[in-house]
Amino acid sequence: DQQVKQNSPSLSVQEGRISILNCDYTNSMFDYFLWYKKYPAEGPTFLISISSIKDKNEDGRFTVFLNKSAKHLSLHIVPSQPGDSAVYFCAAWKGGLTFGKGTHLIIQP
Amino acid sequence: KAGVTQTPRYLIKTRGQQVTLSCSPISGHRSVSWYQQTPGQGLQFLFEYFSETQRNKGNFPGRFSGRQFSNSRSEMNVSTLELGDSALYLCASSLDYRVGAFFGQGTRLTVV
Repeated sequence: DQQVKQNSPSLSVQEGRISILNCDYTNSMFDYFLWYKKYPAEGPTFLISISSIKDKNEDGRFTVFLNKSAKHLSLHIVPSQPGDSAVYFCAAWKGGLTFGKGTHLIIQP
Repeated sequence: KAGVTQTPRYLIKTRGQQVTLSCSPISGHRSVSWYQQTPGQGLQFLFEYFSETQRNKGNFPGRFSGRQFSNSRSEMNVSTLELGDSALYLCASSLDYRVGAFFGQGTRLTVV
């Protein structure tokens, strides 16, 4: 039973445009949501988080939106840069992190 | 400051053996969590230790255990290894989950 789902295994975006990564969850008890980025042969790197009581959090080029009624969150990257090419994991916290299976973001020059 | 250090980086064991993996968290971080990453299941939470006590536990069998020492270093043990235990084992340390956890590079365990 997958409590955190990332339905797009991969996403290709042109450099300079907006990248939108999506994530759905089923457990309404999660109290924090986080996004991680992972390069090959490295551990995940924390990007940004949002509390379940907020609907938006912004940090530089990264913005996370939370829609609790739809149990959906998204990560917006504007503008997308070549170094953003990586696998992005959505995660939710409730006594431990539950991860989605990741979306491979490819930024095309 | 130094990141999360996991040793060893690679390990090959045979079925039925046991293995111990080690994790040194970032200095000052008292929370250490362990995760298993496989191609089929993705990243799955094993357990979390805080101040030498297991605070949270995921859905793994009792063959998977861990401990944390007074200096916050943590070890994870897997007994009676099975082929399906082959995975990348990641350790993460944090001050507070809200600001995210810092991951090590992982230990790649292969069971043959």
